[in-house]
Amino acid sequence: AQSVTQLGSHVSVSEGALVLLRCNYSSSVPPYLFWYVQYPNQGLQLLLKYTSAATLVKGINGFEAEFKKSETSFHLTKPSAHMSDAAEYFCAASDYGNNRLAFGKGNQVVVIP
Amino acid sequence: NAGVTQTPKFQVLKTGQSMTLQCAQDMNHEYMSWYRQDPGMGLRLIHYSVGAGITDQGEVPNGYNVSRSTTEDFPLRLLSAAPSQTSVYFCASSATDYNEQFFGPGTRLTVL
Repeated sequence: AQSVTQLGSHVSVSEGALVLLRCNYSSSVPPYLFWYVQYPNQGLQLLLKYTSAATLVKGINGFEAEFKKSETSFHLTKPSAHMSDAAEYFCAASDYGNNRLAFGKGNQVVVIP
Repeated sequence: NAGVTQTPKFQVLKTGQSMTLQCAQDMNHEYMSWYRQDPGMGLRLIHYSVGAGITDQGEVPNGYNVSRSTTEDFPLRLLSAAPSQTSVYFCASSATDYNEQFFGPGTRLTVL
């Protein structure tokens, strides 16, 4: 089964600065990878996904993530943080042939004006 | 399309009570899952289904039952509620094993 690691439960970033959230997965076989965002008191919304096509994946709201097999990583970035980016972000992975998502523990992003 | 709907939004139970959390989707998705979300723990898979009549256990299945009699519905039953089951519960559905999962708005459950 997959396991996903997200370091740093709380991440503070200044408005206009780079947002970088790190995600590492455990499997030697590249899984399907996802980043989800959760706004307060809401469900999860997909930001982007990697399913073995391009290694640089662009998502909604200016976010993108790069799949690096050698590092078993799928880090999420956004060049310039906006106040509306304040939310919790989850990285998730599933193996081929099943739909069992394993989630990281999440990053709570705070944007400082 | 309503997407994934969950009822109720909030529920308070006493220890030992039973209840069913409802989940429905109108996207004709084969795959459906239940997760619980606890602070600092991310989301953990409780049970999932790959089609009507087929269910399997996830990471934290103890104390929960599921069944899938139709494609649209995937209820989660708490047999005898315990305070450790206080959590936010999310239902999700997906068209295939490699597609993203669509999440419902969640049910916030408190067990006293």
